[in-house]
Amino acid sequence: DAGVIQSPRHEVTEMGQEVTLRCKPISGHNSLFWYRQTMMRGLELLIYFNNNVPIDDSGMPEDRFSAKMPNASFSTLKIQPSEPRDSAVYFCASSSLGGGTGELFFGEGSRLTVL
Amino acid sequence: DAKTTQPTSMDCAEGRAANLPCNHSTISGNEYVYWYRQIHSQGPQYIIHGLKNNETNEMASLIITEDRKSSTLILPHATLRDTAVYYCIVRVSKAAGNKLTFGGGTRVLVKP
Repeated sequence: DAGVIQSPRHEVTEMGQEVTLRCKPISGHNSLFWYRQTMMRGLELLIYFNNNVPIDDSGMPEDRFSAKMPNASFSTLKIQPSEPRDSAVYFCASSSLGGGTGELFFGEGSRLTVL
Repeated sequence: DAKTTQPTSMDCAEGRAANLPCNHSTISGNEYVYWYRQIHSQGPQYIIHGLKNNETNEMASLIITEDRKSSTLILPHATLRDTAVYYCIVRVSKAAGNKLTFGGGTRVLVKP
């Protein structure tokens, strides 16, 4: 299996621009998580989905952030408009609901720099 | 989910066992202890988890005290590749639908 695939791996943009980060979970997984990591705040859970339905978005910082999961194999995290304080590494993770270890499998992350 | 307390950093010698402590004094009876690690610039990686019994896998051993208020992750023979940030997390259920909340972790440096 290819694992969780995130794109782009690196994104540099200017303040005010729209940013879209993409995630393809592991095939067969039905739970998907978006995390953000910064030096100051560590790893923060932004939102997670079960069976394509958002369950908890309390970690989404503000209305500029939105996440969608139109189907079981794709999710996006959008920031519009972007600001310098959004600079961070964004991780996507997936897992299988029910049974197993409850392990989350993380992607390699998307490093976002907003100038 | 219960809060965990870990040392900020620790060093260990290559080839020796690394013992990483974690306190979770407010853990509830239905909460599991999970350990993940994050090697520089990579996504976190699952290591091991347990409820109340000691657990061992190919990566590490997990020792949970009888009162479950603390645990120790043991890397039996640390290598340079084990240098990473190690996170101890407690969560209500091993069901994947429950979120995983990361704290600050322990930054482990394995030295030659």
